[in-house]
Amino acid sequence: AQSVTQLGSHVSVSEGALVLLRCNYSSSVPPYLFWYVQYPNQGLQLLLKYTTGATLVKGINGFEAEFKKSETSFHLTKPSAHMSDAAEYFCAVGVQTNSGYALNFGKGTSLLVTP
Amino acid sequence: EPEVTQTPSHQVTQMGQEVILRCVPISNHLYFYWYRQILGQKVEFLVSFYNNEISEKSEIFDDQFSVERPDGSNFTLKIRSTKLEDSAMYFCASRTTSGLSTDTQYFGPGTRLTVL
Repeated sequence: AQSVTQLGSHVSVSEGALVLLRCNYSSSVPPYLFWYVQYPNQGLQLLLKYTTGATLVKGINGFEAEFKKSETSFHLTKPSAHMSDAAEYFCAVGVQTNSGYALNFGKGTSLLVTP
Repeated sequence: EPEVTQTPSHQVTQMGQEVILRCVPISNHLYFYWYRQILGQKVEFLVSFYNNEISEKSEIFDDQFSVERPDGSNFTLKIRSTKLEDSAMYFCASRTTSGLSTDTQYFGPGTRLTVL
């Protein structure tokens, strides 16, 4: 079965500091990997995704993630945190279905950004 | 920018009652999904819907659940007889198709269902 594990349910960083949110996956086939963000009282918004090709994926709002097969990881990073980055972040793996794929999410990591 | 909408934002119901959660997907999308998140747990896939029929469902999606696209715009999730454990945030998502199976799923803001 394909799954993801997010290490750390809460991460706190100072404004301007590096953001690193960890995600490890388990998959017997080449995975489709996603990062979604959820701001308070809003839906899940796609930050970035990896399907094939370049292993360093750039997303919205300055975020990027690197697919590392040897480490089965897809960690999310941002060089400099902004207060507006405070949100819940979800890593997900796409599980192939009859009509494309369904998302299997991790438990989420809550990012707190302090002044 | 087009977005997925869901109503109501919060639904409170008594155990055993039927509830219908409503979603309006993005207008040119063809694939529709329901997910749920029980408080403190991860977001879980419930069902996918394409061409007016269920294309995939999880173990959670038992006979108490049903989905329907009653008209050209709405996509609904019905729970026939709610249980306490159905209390969760329910997310609707939709996806277009350009022939790529990994087109992005766009999510709505969710409906928080509370079963008393």
